[in-house]
Amino acid sequence: DTEVTQTPKHLVMGMTNKKSLKCEQHMGHRAMYWYKQKAKKPPELMFVYSYEKLSINESVPSRFSPECPNSSLLNLHLHALQPEDSALYLCASSEIAGGGNEQFFGPGTRLTVL
Amino acid sequence: AQSVAQPEDQVNVAEGNPLTVKCTYSVSGNPYLFWYVQYPNRGLQFLLKYITGDNLVKGSYGFEAEFNKSQTSFHLKKPSALVSDSALYFCAVRDYGGYQKVTFGTGTKLQVIP
Repeated sequence: DTEVTQTPKHLVMGMTNKKSLKCEQHMGHRAMYWYKQKAKKPPELMFVYSYEKLSINESVPSRFSPECPNSSLLNLHLHALQPEDSALYLCASSEIAGGGNEQFFGPGTRLTVL
Repeated sequence: AQSVAQPEDQVNVAEGNPLTVKCTYSVSGNPYLFWYVQYPNRGLQFLLKYITGDNLVKGSYGFEAEFNKSQTSFHLKKPSALVSDSALYFCAVRDYGGYQKVTFGTGTKLQVIP
């Protein structure tokens, strides 16, 4: 299985809601990533998990809270988001973080904050 | 610090003609270089990478890229373009120094005209 899956595909939420994005991979990868992508822009790194530990937080606001329950799962908990947080949220994984390891991306969750 | 530049926002090419998408990079040490493609409303898909060795790297779907250390370039090429190659292409770099973050270029939209 060489696929990264993400749920839901689309999410619409109000600024007071709490929601979660989920990501799963079964490739035995030990690094997982969250990216935010605006239309026609490159992905912006948010978080990196390496061996289930948070290793990089790119100064992301606390209204985004990542969680890595095990080596196959990655969650992104959302609370009190702003309309400018509307974007495509991409999850990715790689064998390990760093080096020449390419990343495998999921299809993304299209988030709209009203 | 690492950076990557894609000087063309859009490249137009006729179907059947060769295509080139340009990428230049800057790293303090040796680079790991990657090309990804993104179709509309999808995640990024890995095409090819350069780690070390042969300067000409072959990847998926008939794409190849040439690493040129003196010109700090890693241009993506294909001998004969297909309409289905129309997509957004991202070049990415990671410094050999070991930092886990990959830096993406701004992307080049490839339009293959029938």
